[in-house]
Amino acid sequence: DVKVTQSSRYLVKRTGEKVFLECVQDMDHENMFWYRQDPGLGLRLIYFSYDVKMKEKGDIPEGYSVSREKKERFSLILESASTNQTSMYLCASSSIEGGEKLFFGSGTQLSVL
Amino acid sequence: SQQGEEDPQALSIQEGENATMNCSYKTSINNLQWYRQNSGRGLVHLILIRSNEREKHSGRLRVTLDTSKKSSSLLITASRAADTASYFCAPDDNAGNMLTFGGGTRLMVKP
Repeated sequence: DVKVTQSSRYLVKRTGEKVFLECVQDMDHENMFWYRQDPGLGLRLIYFSYDVKMKEKGDIPEGYSVSREKKERFSLILESASTNQTSMYLCASSSIEGGEKLFFGSGTQLSVL
Repeated sequence: SQQGEEDPQALSIQEGENATMNCSYKTSINNLQWYRQNSGRGLVHLILIRSNEREKHSGRLRVTLDTSKKSSSLLITASRAADTASYFCAPDDNAGNMLTFGGGTRLMVKP
């Protein structure tokens, strides 16, 4: 089975801190995604990547950046965390050959104080 | 990409009853997927139905697709307490490899 692993289940940070959320998948998937999920707003796409060193903006990229130096790893970076970035962050991956099915990690609940 | 809209927002039923959730979308699609999310966890893929299919089954799940009405439904038969979760639809319009998700339907199955 595909495994998508997010480095932290819960994270508490202070306003202004630089935050790294890490995601690793073990099935050689080309595509990787970062979403955030907030009550009443559903899942919103932040960034995605089709390949190593490639990145595309999603619907809400402001305040975030990403890094994909290796195929299996996709990092989400909050350059200067703010309280409105308190949210559940979900990483997902998919393969071109596997079609459109997404595999999700368990999520990181980030609290910015 | 486009977002599906699930209806109802919340559904509460007794164990053994059937649960029906609906999804509407706006533009032509290549396929539509349903996902499930247990509280505080990631989403899990349930079933994918392509635009040329009208109905699909997987265990106790039955999905229908009506492209003329731009709608889909997910039926869970003989529900169990363990089916308690949020359910999301994701229409894929093949405009890139991105799926977006609405607010989902929160299903509660009471024992």
